[in-house]
Amino acid sequence: QVQLVESGGGVVQPGRSLRLSCAASGFTFTSHAMHWVRQGPGKGLEWVAIISHDGIHEYYADSLKGRFTISRDNSKNTLYLQMNSLRADDTAVYYCARDRGIITLLGEFDSWGRGTLVTVSS
Amino acid sequence: SSELTQDPAVSVALGQTVRITCQGDSLRIYYASWFQQKAGQAPVLVIYGKNNRPSGIPDRFSGSTSGNTASLTITGAQAEDEADYYCNSRDSSDNHLSWVFGGGTKLTVL
Repeated sequence: QVQLVESGGGVVQPGRSLRLSCAASGFTFTSHAMHWVRQGPGKGLEWVAIISHDGIHEYYADSLKGRFTISRDNSKNTLYLQMNSLRADDTAVYYCARDRGIITLLGEFDSWGRGTLVTVSS
Repeated sequence: SSELTQDPAVSVALGQTVRITCQGDSLRIYYASWFQQKAGQAPVLVIYGKNNRPSGIPDRFSGSTSGNTASLTITGAQAEDEADYYCNSRDSSDNHLSWVFGGGTKLTVL
């Protein structure tokens, strides 16, 4: 079965960086685009970024203003999110999610990990 | 970017039918997906496309769209359906690919 396991979260000071990972198994990772979605404490879901199945195309939420970078290593079945210049309002649970499309970008998030908590605080 | 608007809270009596709505300009172009999120858990996709259910989702869940409004209908709500529900769709306003979520609807089953 599809399994997505996020890691790398923790407490980080404002202005610092953090890299999240998402280990995928149970499906052909190289065939699916992948997303990051976050959820602030007591808040709703917010789409963060997507990367195509081959890692060539990346798209981001405008609100991130170039601070975050999504990437993937298809040889390791792993998705990443590099987060720089972190701010208090980046505090959230970060989920990775699989796009349902095979090779194509459907924007249908059919499998989710359990998330990893990032807390930005001094 | 576009916005998707949901009612913050809805309630339904056990066994009755409830409709949860989601409004936004992007829904005139793109279908909504719907997610169920129970307390402390990750979201689960329940409806995608015109009206499709992933494997394992009960057929009491259905989706529809009219104009700029997408709806999730639960026919014969069960106690285990109590959760937060989020809609999302591709954003139609940006000149690059992006997606947007609604603010969520908290469903209480009485």
